[in-house]
Amino acid sequence: QVQLVQSGAEVKKPGSSVKVSCEASGGAFNSNTFTWVRQAPGQGLEWMGRIIPLLKKSNYARKFQGRVTMTADKSTNTAYMELTDLKSEDTAVYYCARDVGLPYGLDVWGQGTTVSVSS
Amino acid sequence: DIQMTQSPSTLSASVGDRVIITCRASHNINNYLAWFQQKPGKPPRLLIYRASSLERGVPSRFSGSGSGTEFTLTIDRLQPDDFATYYCQQYNNDFPEFPFGPGTKVDAK
Repeated sequence: QVQLVQSGAEVKKPGSSVKVSCEASGGAFNSNTFTWVRQAPGQGLEWMGRIIPLLKKSNYARKFQGRVTMTADKSTNTAYMELTDLKSEDTAVYYCARDVGLPYGLDVWGQGTTVSVSS
Repeated sequence: DIQMTQSPSTLSASVGDRVIITCRASHNINNYLAWFQQKPGKPPRLLIYRASSLERGVPSRFSGSGSGTEFTLTIDRLQPDDFATYYCQQYNNDFPEFPFGPGTKVDAK
């Protein structure tokens, strides 16, 4: 069974960047699409974007275009999400999740990484 | 842009009740609709995919239905473990973004 393990909590200053990792174990890395979702305190789920490692293709929510980069490293079975120019509103729990293509949904999730942005 | 809405935003129910949550998409999503359950401090859990397919390991009291732009999640005989927040999500590749609905919190009456 695939498991996703994310990197630890981060505390950042406004204007800085954060890079969150998501290591996949228990399956073929390139059979996955990795999606990043965030959840601000007390708020709902916000889709940020996704990356398809096999196709080396990614697409991002318009809201994050220009600030987010999603990458994947098959040699380490790890997906990454980097968010730049952080603002206090970026304080949230960031989740990675995977799917194996249509028609299936996001069936495996990481534990979440808390990113706090404060001066 | 594709938008997802859910109703109600909060639902108060008792153990044993039948609960119905509605999700609407602003465009036809060809049934690429998933439902998730989330409890505080935990990641979401996939319940239903392709509008009506039950994810492996999910109790059969959960069911999904609908097509086009309107979908429902039904929980038959609500159990204590079902008090949580439920989200829908569209994942039709015809659209560039895969947003979630705003969520429906099911709490105890």
